[in-house]
Amino acid sequence: TQLLEQSPQFLSIQEGENLTVYCNSSSVFSSLQWYRQEPGEGPVLLVTVVTGGEVKKLKRLTFQFGDARKDSSLHITAAQPGDTGLYLCAGTTYYGGSQGNLIFGKGTKLSVKP
Amino acid sequence: DAGITQSPRHKVTETGTPVTLRCHQTENHRYMYWYRQDPGHGLRLIHYSYGVKDTDKGEVSDGYSVSRSKTEDFLLTLESATSSQTSVYFCAISKVDSQFGTEAFFGQGTRLTVV
Repeated sequence: TQLLEQSPQFLSIQEGENLTVYCNSSSVFSSLQWYRQEPGEGPVLLVTVVTGGEVKKLKRLTFQFGDARKDSSLHITAAQPGDTGLYLCAGTTYYGGSQGNLIFGKGTKLSVKP
Repeated sequence: DAGITQSPRHKVTETGTPVTLRCHQTENHRYMYWYRQDPGHGLRLIHYSYGVKDTDKGEVSDGYSVSRSKTEDFLLTLESATSSQTSVYFCAISKVDSQFGTEAFFGQGTRLTVV
């Protein structure tokens, strides 16, 4: 069974602080995604990383895919209350004509206090 | 907006009754999914479909069945609801891209309570 372990499970910080969320597995993924979910809503795709070592930036969010494509991190700079939510990572084990179902981590619940 | 609508958004039902949840998409995507989300378990795949009348089981399929008679609709049925099926159910479509793999787009969810 392929597992994606996310840490920490919960994170409560003050506005303006920086934070990093981790997503780890013993499996190799062909791509990995990060989603954010707000209460009462479905997850929303933030980014997809494909290449080992890849770094993508989305405003104050920086996403990195590990060199071995087994892990990823999400770093938020100067967190704001609007960043509050559940952050989920999800991986695909194969692609390119063959459907790879997504495997989700259990998520990191982030609370940013004003 | 991936054009996914789930209905109903909320439902309370009694143990032993059948329940059907509906997912409707407007963008003609081939792949559709049903997940359930529970505290401590995250998102778990129940069933998925890769075309009209083509479906397969996911991680937690026991007690659930699905049907897809049209590309745009994917139905999830609980044949005889149990309290353990109290959950939030999400429908998703995916875009399978040779470069980016599988990217999922979710509906707003259905909160089901079995009493």
